[in-house]
Amino acid sequence: ETGVTQTPRHLVMGMTNKKSLKCEQHLGHNAMYWYKQSAKKPLELMFVYSLEERVENNSVPSRFSPECPNSSHLFLHLHTLQPEDSALYLCASSQFKGGRSYEQYFGPGTRLTVT
Amino acid sequence: DAKTTQPTSMDCAEGRAANLPCNHSTISGNEYVYWYRQIHSQGPQYIIHGLKNNETNEMASLIITEDRKSSTLILPHATLRDTAVYYCIVPNYGQNFVFGPGTRLSVLP
Repeated sequence: ETGVTQTPRHLVMGMTNKKSLKCEQHLGHNAMYWYKQSAKKPLELMFVYSLEERVENNSVPSRFSPECPNSSHLFLHLHTLQPEDSALYLCASSQFKGGRSYEQYFGPGTRLTVT
Repeated sequence: DAKTTQPTSMDCAEGRAANLPCNHSTISGNEYVYWYRQIHSQGPQYIIHGLKNNETNEMASLIITEDRKSSTLILPHATLRDTAVYYCIVPNYGQNFVFGPGTRLSVLP
């Protein structure tokens, strides 16, 4: 148990569906992250929120829309996804202080399958 | 991020020490070395980090060379549950963590 929870753990959705992934951290951190991990590939950073403001968007398609309503919660809204978006989506949190990002703690991930 | 290079895979006998190397020859003076591991289909797990001195915690030890250009993660008594992909990361100060392919460690009975 890392203090970062993600729901749902598994999700199957059609290409025309709209769904949301949820992440919650109980560590008192002020930065949160979304990563994507496709099969047999390294983690890819998607979004970074620091102090509830998005500070990085690594050229992610607009069909992925993040939302960070407060420092403990992070959402990833999904719409009109493609089969190649099937992957493990991981949320992480860390403390960001003095211009430095400290160690990140990850949730268990959401296994997404787009049919 | 300072580029890191790790062996693609390693084997270790159960109960023996697992020594995982990492080269980071372009590391800057204020950049930390972090180690994570990822057991199949789970989220990465933070293990340990260090700057200059060797570090030890309940999971592992981290040995950083004096010139800081390489480091070794040591699992003192590897178990089957330590089978995972191990990532060595050197994030630029204030920047984000970049996960490479890591080292796939197989602990063999």
